[in-house]
Amino acid sequence: DAGVTQSPTHLIKTRGQQVTLRCSPKSGHDTVSWYQQALGQGPQFIFQYYEEEERQRGNFPDRFSGHQFPNYSSELNVNALLLGDSALYLCASSIGDRGNSPLHFGNGTRLTVT
Amino acid sequence: GESVGLHLPTLSVQEGDNSIINCAYSNSASDYFIWYKQESGKGPQFIIDIRSNMDKRQGQRVTVLLNKTVKHLSLQIAATQPGDSAVYFCAETSGTYKYIFGTGTRLKVLA
Repeated sequence: DAGVTQSPTHLIKTRGQQVTLRCSPKSGHDTVSWYQQALGQGPQFIFQYYEEEERQRGNFPDRFSGHQFPNYSSELNVNALLLGDSALYLCASSIGDRGNSPLHFGNGTRLTVT
Repeated sequence: GESVGLHLPTLSVQEGDNSIINCAYSNSASDYFIWYKQESGKGPQFIIDIRSNMDKRQGQRVTVLLNKTVKHLSLQIAATQPGDSAVYFCAETSGTYKYIFGTGTRLKVLA
């Protein structure tokens, strides 16, 4: 039973470019959340997708956008990359949108912006 | 792999001893609490959770204690093993998947 899978594992981009990160949730899960983890810090909530809609959003600018597909997989897009966007981007999946069951995390995509 | 937490508080324990990791949470409305373990180069791994209507929950070698009066959460690991070395995060939420993560504690197990 595959857990949460993310691609790519590592990515290097230049300031101003755009990036797309991908996530497949754990089998049986229908909700996907995205988190950003800067080095030495805890993960910070970006947004959550359920039934192909963004249901909740953290304190991130509109440069961060996402999508959820009918098969529950998800993409995170970041436009106009800044040096400060360098971080580990974590995808997490769960069942339902009520937040009363634990999130299961993937191993993340390490994004470096130069 | 890359280090998860370069400047985190560190708890060093002897192999076989018990470990206690503490966490202060911020939101008195939080009703669901989770402990995660994060090893270098990996995502957070679920350890144990507890709801606000409980004050203690036990798993295999782990126990979580919740004190809502002082907004404090702790994780106890019995008979700590080298494989327990990692960064540990507590997370809180109030009915959504917008988890608020603590700053993390690095656990080092000494042989």
